[in-house]
Amino acid sequence: GAVVSQHPSRVICKSGTSVKIECRSLDFQATTMFWYRQFPKQSLMLMATSNEGSKATYEQGVEKDKFLINHASLTLSTLTVTSAHPEDSSFYICSASSSGGTDTQYFGPGTRLTVL
Amino acid sequence: AQSVAQPEDQVNVAEGNPLTVKCTYSVSGNPYLFWYVQYPNRGLQFLLKYITGDNLVKGSYGFEAEFNKSQTSFHLKKPSALVSDSALYFCAVRDSYSSASKIIFGSGTRLSIRP
Repeated sequence: GAVVSQHPSRVICKSGTSVKIECRSLDFQATTMFWYRQFPKQSLMLMATSNEGSKATYEQGVEKDKFLINHASLTLSTLTVTSAHPEDSSFYICSASSSGGTDTQYFGPGTRLTVL
Repeated sequence: AQSVAQPEDQVNVAEGNPLTVKCTYSVSGNPYLFWYVQYPNRGLQFLLKYITGDNLVKGSYGFEAEFNKSQTSFHLKKPSALVSDSALYFCAVRDSYSSASKIIFGSGTRLSIRP
């Protein structure tokens, strides 16, 4: 099946700093990528949907100025958590899909963010 | 708007016994249903999906799920559980055939298989 990678797998940062997380589709072109966050023992909550070359669509309640998403190419999307605070600590997971079709989304392995 | 309910936070089964993880859904149009499994500190792995066709869908690792339109359910099943099946299972739904549409996840069910 298709492979999606995320980098870094784990990051610890100080409060107030910004952190960038990369999501790459390794063997297919991802026209659409999704970003989720998952708190401990909870489900995945969709944060935003990004289409290559256009602005991301954010879910209600997600601050677009805090969670900057860039999908500049068909194989790479980035999520930047700006001015991170301890409450932003979470497990961030991306998924990617190719152009339309009934195929499933393919998920990355996730990034554990800890803000001190 | 679509939604998914997983009524059980945890399911405990003895190894070798059949297992069922329940899922019900709500969508305005045709449902496209998925099951994913998550191991600790890992992303989601795809198990199976229902798009159209036979109501009984077979997936990875011996899992299967039955689509029941009248009961709006998509329960995950396996005839004989393994200890290695212990993990967190998510049911998910999307209301469009397109994989570019967003998927909504259920709250998850932790499956624990005892030896």
